[in-house]
Amino acid sequence: DTGVSQNPRHKITKRGQNVTFRCDPISEHNRLYWYRQTLGQGPEFLTYFQNEAQLEKSRLLSDRFSAERPKGSFSTLEIQRTEQGDSAMYLCASSATGYRGTEAFFGQGTRLTVV
Amino acid sequence: TQLLEQSPQFLSIQEGENLTVYCNSSSVFSSLQWYRQEPGEGPVLLVTVVTGGEVKKLKRLTFQFGDARKDSSLHITAAQPGDTGLYLCAPSLSGGSYIPTFGRGTSLIVHP
Repeated sequence: DTGVSQNPRHKITKRGQNVTFRCDPISEHNRLYWYRQTLGQGPEFLTYFQNEAQLEKSRLLSDRFSAERPKGSFSTLEIQRTEQGDSAMYLCASSATGYRGTEAFFGQGTRLTVV
Repeated sequence: TQLLEQSPQFLSIQEGENLTVYCNSSSVFSSLQWYRQEPGEGPVLLVTVVTGGEVKKLKRLTFQFGDARKDSSLHITAAQPGDTGLYLCAPSLSGGSYIPTFGRGTSLIVHP
C-alpha cells in the first residue's frame, strides 16, 4: 500500500466552473476525512466518512461543496460554481478507526487555484 | 469548540540552535498528537501523548504533556534544516465523535 493518494495534485480553474477531487485512502481504513488548508493556517476540518456514511460536515462546507464515498472506498469532493475564496490546499486523510488518538494518514493534497 | 493556541506562529533559527513550541488550551484533553507538515506534503504524525506529565523523546525532539492535560510543548535540540516545517498539535477531547482537529501551527525554518 502506498498510502493516501490524491488527484489531481494541482488544479487551476476559472471562477464559476465546477471541480472534482479524488482521494484514495489506505486500504481497509474505515474513516476518511477532508480538510482545507490556506497559507499560514493548519488544516480545517470539512467533513468525514465512516465507511460510506457521511457522518459530519463542518459549517465551512457550503452548499456548493459535496462529498461522496461510494462503497466506502475512494472519495470525491466536488465544488460547484467555484469562487476565488475556494483557492486552497484540499487534504484528504484516512484512519483505521475512530478511536481517540488514532493516527490520521494524509495525502499530499490537491492545490486549487481559482482565477 | 475549544480555543487552541500554538506559539510562536513563526520561528526562524540557525542550524544548531534549540527551540520550544507550545500548544495551549483552556480545555482538558484526553490525548494530544503532534504532526509535522513539510512544504508540499500532508501532515505526518510525530507522537501521541496520553498521560498528564508524560514526556516522550523522538531523537532530538522532546514532547511533554502538561500535568493538567491542557497544554503541551515540543522541544528540539540542535535543530537541523531537515526540521523545517509546520508543527501542528491535534488534541482530543472526551466525548463526542473523534475528529483530528488542528491548531494554526508553528512554522519553523532552520537555516544552514
